[in-house]
Amino acid sequence: KQEVTQIPAALSVPEGENLVLNCSFTDSAIYNLQWFRQDPGKGLTSLLLIQSSQREQTSGRLNASLDKSSGRSTLYIAASQPGDSATYLCAVYMGRRALTFGSGTRLQVQP
Amino acid sequence: NAGVTQTPKFQVLKTGQSMTLQCAQDMNHNSMYWYRQDPGMGLRLIYYSASEGTTDKGEVPNGYNVSRLNKREFSLRLESAAPSQTSVYFCASSEKRGTGYDQPQHFGDGTRLSIL
Repeated sequence: KQEVTQIPAALSVPEGENLVLNCSFTDSAIYNLQWFRQDPGKGLTSLLLIQSSQREQTSGRLNASLDKSSGRSTLYIAASQPGDSATYLCAVYMGRRALTFGSGTRLQVQP
Repeated sequence: NAGVTQTPKFQVLKTGQSMTLQCAQDMNHNSMYWYRQDPGMGLRLIYYSASEGTTDKGEVPNGYNVSRLNKREFSLRLESAAPSQTSVYFCASSEKRGTGYDQPQHFGDGTRLSIL
């Protein structure tokens, strides 16, 4: 059974800092990995999707990398801003039965 | 640009009551999903539907039923609500692209359900 772990569970940083969120998964037979953002009381917004054949994806200040063989992904956020404060979830897709999620990293960026 | 719409947004039920959570998407997606989110446990798949007329169990289907009414709508029913079903419920949809992989998934804002 696929298990997805995110470390740390919570993170507080001062504005402007570069930061890395970690995601690990136990079964490397994935099709893709997706990073989501969740604001309090809201649904999930897809940030980046990395196919299993890709090493990284970039969108603005966000960069996600994937090392499928070691079962790891990182989400790099450059020059963090208070508006980045949210919970970040990673999820892996293994086929018909939809996504397997980690429990998330709650990020607080202090002004 | 509505995307995925869930109703209601909040609901309080008594143990044993029944209710249906509604979900509709306007993106012409084939696949739709129901997840529940509990503190510290991420999202877990309850049921999903790969296309109109088909449904399959996910990780935690016990106590729930679903109906894929048409391509747009996918409802989740609690026949006899239990306190363990207190959770936030999310509906999502996605479309298969050329690779055949569902991507990406689009989520509604959730239904916050409390069972007393």
